[in-house]
Amino acid sequence: GAVVSQHPSWVICKSGTSVKIECRSLDFQATTMFWYRQFPKQSLMLMATSNEGSKATYEQGVEKDKFLINHASLTLSTLTVTSAHPEDSSFYICSARVPGRDGYTFGSGTRLTVV
Amino acid sequence: GENVEQHPSTLSVQEGDSAVIKCTYSDSASNYFPWYKQELGKRPQLIIDIRSNVGEKKDQRIAVTLNKTAKHFSLHITETQPEDSAVYFCAPYNQAGTALIFGKGTTLSVSS
Repeated sequence: GAVVSQHPSWVICKSGTSVKIECRSLDFQATTMFWYRQFPKQSLMLMATSNEGSKATYEQGVEKDKFLINHASLTLSTLTVTSAHPEDSSFYICSARVPGRDGYTFGSGTRLTVV
Repeated sequence: GENVEQHPSTLSVQEGDSAVIKCTYSDSASNYFPWYKQELGKRPQLIIDIRSNVGEKKDQRIAVTLNKTAKHFSLHITETQPEDSAVYFCAPYNQAGTALIFGKGTTLSVSS
């Protein structure tokens, strides 16, 4: 149990286009989800906290107009990378805390390549 | 916010040896201390965690020790095997329940 499904697993897009990444909690309700970005050989950096029914909270240095987050239901959070550029190429991973447990569960990640 | 330091950044051991990775954190309110293992291109996997009311926890070859006074916790892997080779991250979070804050990671290489 406690699975977070993330799609797509990889995507290639052209510079200037937008890409949407979805994360769904399959067997639990997630009022909060977290979005991380991971560049090659680096750590996971928290980008934003997604809150169901309210605005996301962005970490310092993350452009909220570029990385649009929507958490319209208790099981779905989306991250849209707008006007993507090659420097946005990265591994994006979502996570959620499972109610009643200490641990966080992670999506399988999305490898974004902007060409 | 939480400041997390992890050492060493790389660790090479022979199969059968022990490996120890240390993580220091800054937020004295932190009360949950997990360790994650990440293989290349995959999601982080929780391997062991500890709460602040416990000093040590063990699960077969893996253990975590916590020193709340000094604000550090360590991952111990005994009898290492080649399949233990991966990147390990500590990721404490505080009582407010905000997101996990990851250390910079330790690349463990176990040679046979």
